[in-house]
Order: sequence, then C-alpha cells, then structure tokens
Amino acid sequence: AQSVTQPDIHITVSEGASLELRCNYSYGATPYLFWYVQSPGQGLQLLLKYFSGDTLVQGIKGFEAEFKRSQSSFNLRKPSVHWSDAAEYFCAVGYNTNAGKSTFGDGTTLTVKP
Amino acid sequence: DARVTQTPRHKVTEMGQEVTMRCQPILGHNTVFWYRQTMMQGLELLAYFRNRAPLDDSGMPKDRFSAEMPDATLATLKIQPSEPRDSAVYFCASGLVTGGLYNEQFFGPGTRLTVL
Repeated sequence: AQSVTQPDIHITVSEGASLELRCNYSYGATPYLFWYVQSPGQGLQLLLKYFSGDTLVQGIKGFEAEFKRSQSSFNLRKPSVHWSDAAEYFCAVGYNTNAGKSTFGDGTTLTVKP
Repeated sequence: DARVTQTPRHKVTEMGQEVTMRCQPILGHNTVFWYRQTMMQGLELLAYFRNRAPLDDSGMPKDRFSAEMPDATLATLKIQPSEPRDSAVYFCASGLVTGGLYNEQFFGPGTRLTVL
C-alpha cells in the first residue's frame, strides 16, 4: 500500500535558522510529490511540487525540496525561517494509477522561536 | 484569483440533525475531493469525483454520509443523522487531471462542524 511518512510530528526552530522537514514515501512507481502548508484556521496551500526533471524544485515563500529516488525522500528546506512560517506542513504523494488521488502524510507542526 | 469556496464556514448543530456542506470547485477543474481533518485522525479522504462521477467513496461512513455533484459548479456533502464524532473540519479540494497527467489539489477554507 502507498504511504507517506513524516517522521517529525513537531519541530521548533529559531527565527533565522535553517529548516529541513523530512518526508519519505513508499511505492515502486514514479511518484508525483507535493508539499502543502496549512496555517491555523486555513485550508492547505501548495508550496511546491515535483513531477519530473530537475530533482531540486523551488516553491513559494523561499522553500525548496529535493527528490531523492534512492532514499524515497522529498525533504523540504528553507535557509532562513521567518516567524510567519509557523504552520503545519504536509507532504503528499500521488501516482497515475491513483486517478488523481494523493496520499497525505500526518503533517509536521513548525514552531518558530523569536 | 480562482479559489475553491465552501459554505458554511462554521456550523454548530445538535446530534441527529442533517448537515449539508457545499463546495464550489475552481472553474474548469474536473476532479473534486472531500476530506475530513481531526486532531486524532489527521487528514482523511472521504470521497472524490471525476467529471461529476464518484470515483471512490470508501472513506465515508455509508450509512450516514453522502456526497454528490449536482452540477460541475457544486459539490455537496451531507450527514444525516449527525453525531458528535462527526465534529471536524471538512475540506473540499479541486484539481485538473487530464490525459493521465497528474496535478496538485486546490483546497477550500474548510467547514468547521461541531455536533453537540
């Protein structure tokens, strides 16, 4: 069965520090990979996506993610975190065999210390 | 700026009452998803549609939940009768899937449901 694992339930970083959120997926086929962000009381917003090509993808708000097939990972990074980045982050994976459906991870909550 | 809209944004009701949540997907999108989010279960897929036809509703409790798309601009999720355990935030999302090409989902702001 397809699954997405976000090993860190909660991460706290200081403002200005770098950030890396981990995401691992399981399935043999070529995945479509996404990172979404959810601010309190809001819906999920797409940060970035990987379909093919360059394995380092850039997203909005200064985020980037790198697809590593050998590690089945798609980790999200940001070089310098801002207080406004405090939110919950979801990794999601989809496959053509899924008719457009994505499997979401359980999310990682990011707290930013002043 | 195209967005998915959901109504109502908040709903408080009593156990046993019928609840209807509505979603207007982004114009031109052919796939609509309904999710439920709770602290305990996280984000759960309840059902989804392609070109208004249900593709998968295995995530829904069949005896009380129903989802429909009366037309391309409206998706509905009904709970009858509602129970306290249905209290959650319900999200609608839409996306465009054509020719086997996958794409991202655009989420609405959600309906926060409280069943007393």
